[in-house]
Amino acid sequence: QVVLTQSPSASASLGASVKLTCTLDSGHSTYAIAWHQLQPERGPRYLMNLDSDGSHTKGAGIPDRFSGSSSGAERYLIISSLQSEDEADYYCQTWGTGTVFGGGTKLTVL
Amino acid sequence: EVQLVQSGAEVKKPGESLKISCRGSGYRFSSYWIGWVRQMPGRGLEWMGIIYPGDSDARYSPAFQGQVTFSVDTSITTAYLQWSSLKASDSARYYCARSGGTWLIDSWGQGTLVTVSS
Repeated sequence: QVVLTQSPSASASLGASVKLTCTLDSGHSTYAIAWHQLQPERGPRYLMNLDSDGSHTKGAGIPDRFSGSSSGAERYLIISSLQSEDEADYYCQTWGTGTVFGGGTKLTVL
Repeated sequence: EVQLVQSGAEVKKPGESLKISCRGSGYRFSSYWIGWVRQMPGRGLEWMGIIYPGDSDARYSPAFQGQVTFSVDTSITTAYLQWSSLKASDSARYYCARSGGTWLIDSWGQGTLVTVSS
């Protein structure tokens, strides 16, 4: 089964940039993933699909501040010009015999 | 605009049955999978399974097989998640989500909070 690994927490200052990482297990290093945002008291929001070559397709209305890139088994979500509303939990997701989620990264905006 | 709108919060007693809904609009409902995801308090996202409205092909995560039932009514573009006998441990927020052929989620419902308490 596919395994996605995320750091439990990350932090960055208002206006700065942050790079969140999702690592695929070695047997599934070429898989595409999706990034999702869960804000407190709000539903999840689909951010983007991200392929192994770094190409990504963002969801409707996702600001240009959000982008993605890839390197080997790692998939990155880059958020630039951090705003307070970016403070949320971020999950990566892929599929195997079923849908798989990473453990999530809680982003704190300082 | 693709939208998934879920039914409202529920408060139930252990042993009661429950069916929550997820209505899709803005796209061809029968051509995309609808998945269900659980988030227990303070925990991450857990995939429960998925159903294809076109033919009601349902796949369940092993952890939820036999515990819940997925169904759809394509005439009203609505998917359902059902329990026959709730337990306190079913208390959680449940999300529906749309996926294409790769099962990568590209749209979410707003969530339904289920509270099971005696």
